[in-house]
Amino acid sequence: DAKTTQPNSMESNEEEPVHLPCNHSTISGTDYIHWYRQLPSQGPEYVIHGLTSNVNNRMASLAIAEDRKSSTLILHRATLRDAAVYYCILRDVNSGGSNYKLTFGKGTLLTVNP
Amino acid sequence: KAGVTQTPRYLIKTRGQQVTLSCSPISGHRSVSWYQQTPGQGLQFLFEYFSETQRNKGNFPGRFSGRQFSNSRSEMNVSTLELGDSALYLCASSVGQGARNTIYFGEGSWLTVV
Repeated sequence: DAKTTQPNSMESNEEEPVHLPCNHSTISGTDYIHWYRQLPSQGPEYVIHGLTSNVNNRMASLAIAEDRKSSTLILHRATLRDAAVYYCILRDVNSGGSNYKLTFGKGTLLTVNP
Repeated sequence: KAGVTQTPRYLIKTRGQQVTLSCSPISGHRSVSWYQQTPGQGLQFLFEYFSETQRNKGNFPGRFSGRQFSNSRSEMNVSTLELGDSALYLCASSVGQGARNTIYFGEGSWLTVV
């Protein structure tokens, strides 16, 4: 399975934008890029996903490089509630119709300073 | 729309006992999967159910079992508990299987084995 690489930790100030990078140089053409985050003592929360084009939703934006070898999750105005571990994962649309290949790496621990 | 609901949230069991964890997926979701999360191993896939049938199983011993009911609700059972079974057990649901379907996680059940 294609792997992702993320920085172990990042720090941001409240009200400022945050750009969380993810490298996935071995991504295949059928891999969707998904982002989840996990707040302390909670289950992972879906944030956003995309295939080729940039995506926006109420939580964040996802910028995907033209060659798809990297992507960036953008939080436009960080709040204290955004402090969490952010996971970038790849999900292959050809994974036999199963969700069983969902694997999370260590993710990026985002600290938001007041 | 209610999210994925897991019960109980916290429980403490003694070695050798057995435990049953319950999961109610989001209404309309037919795929339910279970994961074990520990600090050392990260998120590990346990099993996946779709329309009451187990579709995939992770690399866990036979002490770990599960089932899905006709209303898509699911339970997992761990028999003969060991100290190493202490973990956060997460249930996730999606409308269907495959990477095009967003997976939504519950808040998890924290199991401590003493």
